[in-house]
Amino acid sequence: DAMVIQNPRYQVTQFGKPVTLSCSQTLNHNVMYWYQQKSSQAPKLLFHYYDKDFNNEADTPDNFQSRRPNTSFCFLDIRSPGLGDAAMYLCATSRGVGKGHQPQHFGDGTRLSIL
Amino acid sequence: QQQVKQSPQSLIVQKGGISIINCAYENTAFDYFPWYQQFPGKGPALLIAIRPDVSEKKEGRFTISFNKSAKQFSLHIMDSQPGDSATYFCAAGTGGGNKLTFGTGTQLKVEL
Repeated sequence: DAMVIQNPRYQVTQFGKPVTLSCSQTLNHNVMYWYQQKSSQAPKLLFHYYDKDFNNEADTPDNFQSRRPNTSFCFLDIRSPGLGDAAMYLCATSRGVGKGHQPQHFGDGTRLSIL
Repeated sequence: QQQVKQSPQSLIVQKGGISIINCAYENTAFDYFPWYQQFPGKGPALLIAIRPDVSEKKEGRFTISFNKSAKQFSLHIMDSQPGDSATYFCAAGTGGGNKLTFGTGTQLKVEL
């Protein structure tokens, strides 16, 4: 089945130690998104790629960066994780704009813990 | 103005009953209103979505009611089942839906 796959499902890192989360998709969608979801809260958009074009949300901390080397893969890099960055990180994909509203398809997330 | 307010925060419904979750928005530029269902340990999954040119959309047991003048929309789950127990998020989007603003979520529990 076509899907959005996030690895790993659980990630533990140390305070200040860089960490990378990965997302891959078999849907061949133009747009890939990264959301942060803290416990019992709504998903919060960090940034998204439309093809190779990167779109950062204004309130996304500089500590968070992303790479999209090709259509299928997207990475979230946290340069110096703080305790407040512990959360579920969700990747989503959708077809591109200009084709009407397109649903976003989510992966099952990576739960990040900071020691 | 970008907020989407969702209520209630939690909801307990008896099996076979109707679950109703409400959302309200301020930004009149929103033109796409999806509902997502999220089970523990899983990502949100699109349940049903509506555009503001219709007042109601029904898919199986799930219905969205939309009131454009009041800037409110709601999800109705008919004949609620224990398998419907999950967290439900409303959302609102503009310009092709690339950017969704999510509500704060409603934790639904359907009891036998």
